[in-house]
Amino acid sequence: DGGITQSPKYLFRKEGQNVTLSCEQNLNHDAMYWYRQDPGQGLRLIYYSQIVNDFQKGDIAEGYSVSREKKESFPLTVTSAQKNPTAFYLCASSSEITGNTIYFGEGSWLTVV
Amino acid sequence: GESVGLHLPTLSVQEGDNSIINCAYSNSASDYFIWYKQESGKGPQFIIDIRSNMDKRQGQRVTVLLNKTVKHLSLQIAATQPGDSAVYFCAERVGNYQLIWGAGTKLIIKP
Repeated sequence: DGGITQSPKYLFRKEGQNVTLSCEQNLNHDAMYWYRQDPGQGLRLIYYSQIVNDFQKGDIAEGYSVSREKKESFPLTVTSAQKNPTAFYLCASSSEITGNTIYFGEGSWLTVV
Repeated sequence: GESVGLHLPTLSVQEGDNSIINCAYSNSASDYFIWYKQESGKGPQFIIDIRSNMDKRQGQRVTVLLNKTVKHLSLQIAATQPGDSAVYFCAERVGNYQLIWGAGTKLIIKP
């Protein structure tokens, strides 16, 4: 099935550790995104990538890093510099073919313990 | 700053009635607006979109209305069902790759 796969669904991190969230899409979309969602809140853009080997900071990029080595993959690393990383993380993708509508994965829950 | 906001954080509707979820936006240059539905613990799902050169667009049981004069967007859901319970977000596109999101409205369906 075509879609966006995020893993893991649930992740626990000790303070001071880096963790990487995986996002893979087989939709052949050019653009990919990472959003953060806090409980009861809307979505905030962390990073986005329009094309392979290129990405731009979103509104809350501090403490996060990304890479886009392949079109279908856009992993997000939550570094120890992110002081409040507990949140729901959503990966998304879009394409000019779809009118640039953004489609989302099922999300990953990250909890700092 | 630019923002997309929602008038009501929670909306309770009787099953079978129509639901209307409202959204205000502030960026006059936006050319595209989208409604998403997010069920608990899941990613947002695309519902319907509308371009700024349109006033109304209909889908299956949903209608989006755009009033550019007052910068207002609404989502109408006909014959609301229990499966419609979710948080609904409006989003406003600025440029090709960025969206401005509202905080969301939680729709509760009363039996």
